[in-house]
Amino acid sequence: GENVEQHPSTLSVQEGDSAVIKCTYSDSASNYFPWYKQELGKGPQLIIDIRSNVGEKKDQRIAVTLNKTAKHFSLHITETQPEDSAVYFCAANLDGGSQGNLIFGKGTKLSVKP
Amino acid sequence: NAGVTQTPKFQVLKTGQSMTLQCAQDMNHNSMYWYRQDPGMGLRLIYYSASEGTTDKGEVPNGYNVSRLNKREFSLRLESAAPSQTSVYFCASSEAQRNQPQHFGDGTRLSIL
Repeated sequence: GENVEQHPSTLSVQEGDSAVIKCTYSDSASNYFPWYKQELGKGPQLIIDIRSNVGEKKDQRIAVTLNKTAKHFSLHITETQPEDSAVYFCAANLDGGSQGNLIFGKGTKLSVKP
Repeated sequence: NAGVTQTPKFQVLKTGQSMTLQCAQDMNHNSMYWYRQDPGMGLRLIYYSASEGTTDKGEVPNGYNVSRLNKREFSLRLESAAPSQTSVYFCASSEAQRNQPQHFGDGTRLSIL
């Protein structure tokens, strides 16, 4: 079945630097890739998603890139701020055709130091 | 706009007790989901309901049952709680099952002694 691997598991950056989190997936039929941010004591919140018909998507300081051939996608956060500190999860849909349930990576704990 | 509401927020049970976790969404979404989150394991799907009247097993369904009461509500039941079910449980909903953003509640933190 589908497997989603996420790296790194922890990431520490200085305020203002960029942060990059990478995920790989195994199911070549996957065609939907969301990213979630989870703050302490809260549920995951969607921050950006990308579908397989595009290679990159941006929303202010956040961007996601997708390489379908290599089966990997990445989250890029520029000009990081302390409020970006959280756990980030990538996901891919299982069997892009009939089912579509999401498989999540194990998360990356991002710490932004002031 | 409340979004996805889960009750209770915290619960402690003894081994063997039963409990129902409640979830309601006010976004008129068709699909609803139950996940568990354990340290270092990410989110794992327990059960889902693609549409009102249907439910299906996810990755880790053993020890759980679900009921899609109506379009708004989707409950998760533990019939005989075990310590291995100590976890944080999240409910989510989406407009449709395929390729749509899922919106999560803030979770129920469940401890089983």
